[in-house]
Amino acid sequence: DADVTQTPRNRITKTGKRIMLECSQTKGHDRMYWYRQDPGLGLRLIYYSFDVKDINKGEISDGYSVSRQAQAKFSLSLESAIPNQTALYFCATSPGPYTVLNRGWQETQYFGPGTRLLVL
Amino acid sequence: ELKVEQNPLFLSMQEGKNYTIYCNYSTTSDRLYWYRQDPGKSLESLFVLLSNGAVKQEGRLMASLDTKARLSTLHITAAVHDLSATYFCAVNRDDKIIFGKGTRLHILP
Repeated sequence: DADVTQTPRNRITKTGKRIMLECSQTKGHDRMYWYRQDPGLGLRLIYYSFDVKDINKGEISDGYSVSRQAQAKFSLSLESAIPNQTALYFCATSPGPYTVLNRGWQETQYFGPGTRLLVL
Repeated sequence: ELKVEQNPLFLSMQEGKNYTIYCNYSTTSDRLYWYRQDPGKSLESLFVLLSNGAVKQEGRLMASLDTKARLSTLHITAAVHDLSATYFCAVNRDDKIIFGKGTRLHILP
């Protein structure tokens, strides 16, 4: 089974609708992230969370909100979807914090399979 | 504000040739990552570089980090078609991980 799962994998919605993308992980990592990918723009960080009580804005948080329901679950919501939110959305996890002992070798991010969202 | 720039953004090369992808970043950081993405797929971690002068190699790929120059390179040796993919570098600054736009690598047989 995949360590990082995202649901749904594909979604078509209409402008103004509320939509939630869900991410679950079985890696036991504290840190979770949401990114969006647009052609030619790479990945841009939307929100990130270092534990259940910690939520931080990324580069492009406007129009999005998140909820960290448990260590293993991190949801991204679009309160009122608009067409320029059409993109590929990735959830990622990583262990933390960085320590001298682990030398950061585990610190890489593990990505989910992505959710393709089309807003009409 | 941290900016991460990769070049080239697109590279088409022949099998058997060597080439280098460059990743420049604008503010100090002590962690740099390289990822690979195949078309329609998710991202896969390749390397994590932690310190100045760090060099890591896996098969035909070698990554290095110069923190003073704020530059990382991903060198491809004797390219093979299987290495065709998009390669991203990413930099950690204050626990935010910021990605470059990616280098789309197309290796011709």
